[in-house]
Amino acid sequence: AQRVTQPEKLLSVFKGAPVELKCNYSYSGSPELFWYVQYSRQRLQLLLRHISRESIKGFTADLNKGETSFHLKKPFAQEEDSAMYYCALSGTGANNLFFGTGTRLTVIP
Amino acid sequence: DAGITQSPRHKVTETGTPVTLRCHQTENHRYMYWYRQDPGHGLRLIHYSYGVKDTDKGEVSDGYSVSRSKTEDFLLTLESATSSQTSVYFCAISGGTAGPIVEQYFGPGTRLTVT
Repeated sequence: AQRVTQPEKLLSVFKGAPVELKCNYSYSGSPELFWYVQYSRQRLQLLLRHISRESIKGFTADLNKGETSFHLKKPFAQEEDSAMYYCALSGTGANNLFFGTGTRLTVIP
Repeated sequence: DAGITQSPRHKVTETGTPVTLRCHQTENHRYMYWYRQDPGHGLRLIHYSYGVKDTDKGEVSDGYSVSRSKTEDFLLTLESATSSQTSVYFCAISGGTAGPIVEQYFGPGTRLTVT
């Protein structure tokens, strides 16, 4: 069975500090991993997916199959990064997503 | 924003009454989903549809039913609302072909309060 764990419900960092949002997963096959973000009063939207290996808004995430992790990182946090972040997993060939419980990031000015 | 709307956006209802939420898309996407969002639980899938009249259960389907009579509309019905169904409900769509999901696009959400 699929499972996505985000151990931190709340995370606060100062502006300019590095930030890492943790995500661990369990899945017996080869997963697709995603990070979604929900800014205040906005819709949930895709931030990045591991298969594209992009950097979006300065965020990166590397899939570590050995540690079954997909942590989201940014070297210098900005106030506009304050939001709710969800890690999500899709199984091979599946058509739905399993979401973690989310981490609320607050960047302190 | 992708062409997804949800109605109503807010609703207060009494325990035991039936409630129907509507999701409407203009993107002609094949897949549609209903999630609920609760503190400490994140987003949990209720039901999803992979085509007209083709639906399947998600993680938390008890007490909910869905219907999809046309591509653009996906209805979620709470057969007899309970206080535990107080939540924010999100609709999402996905193009999804035979391969893995690339991206889901979300609607603005419906805040439902059951008193």
